[in-house]
Amino acid sequence: GESVGLHLPTLSVQEGDNSIINCAYSNSASDYFIWYKQESGKGPQFIIDIRSNMDKRQGQRVTVLLNKTVKHLSLQIAATQPGDSAVYFCAEKGRGFGNEKLTFGTGTRLTIIP
Amino acid sequence: DAGVTQSPTHLIKTRGQQVTLRCSPKSGHDTVSWYQQALGQGPQFIFQYYEEEERQRGNFPDRFSGHQFPNYSSELNVNALLLGDSALYLCATRRGGGYEQYFGPGTRLTVT
Repeated sequence: GESVGLHLPTLSVQEGDNSIINCAYSNSASDYFIWYKQESGKGPQFIIDIRSNMDKRQGQRVTVLLNKTVKHLSLQIAATQPGDSAVYFCAEKGRGFGNEKLTFGTGTRLTIIP
Repeated sequence: DAGVTQSPTHLIKTRGQQVTLRCSPKSGHDTVSWYQQALGQGPQFIFQYYEEEERQRGNFPDRFSGHQFPNYSSELNVNALLLGDSALYLCATRRGGGYEQYFGPGTRLTVT
């Protein structure tokens, strides 16, 4: 069955350093991938997305890389700040019109060390 | 521009009771999905509503039902509550033709 998993449940990074959060997915039919940030007591916040016909996409301080060969997704956060501390989820969406379901992994907790 | 809103924020119910949760989508959004997030886990897809109809459903029993209104807002109903239904219930909305789904703050349901 389809699943989205994460390599590391926790990650601690020094403030100002870059962080990389990794994610493995198993459904090769997925055509859309998203990274969400969830702070304590809040709903997931959209960070960045990427379609399956791309291998890299950049946003403000964030970059998502997609490697379809090994079914791997990563989120790079540049110059981390204390406000980046949160749980990060990758999610995938199956192909096809009307297929709305997002499949989430269990999340990686990112802690920024001052 | 208001984002996705949900009510109530917190709710405590007893086993066997019924509960109704509400979601108002972000302006311009017409599609609503509901997710259940157990503590320490990622959200799990319950179902999705578009044009007032349930379009897709995840692996949840019939105790979970929903509704979408003409103004695109939505309700999630859970009957015969079980202790295992305790979770954060999230709704996510998107505009027709778009891909990005925006989540609300969630409703924390505790079943005792």
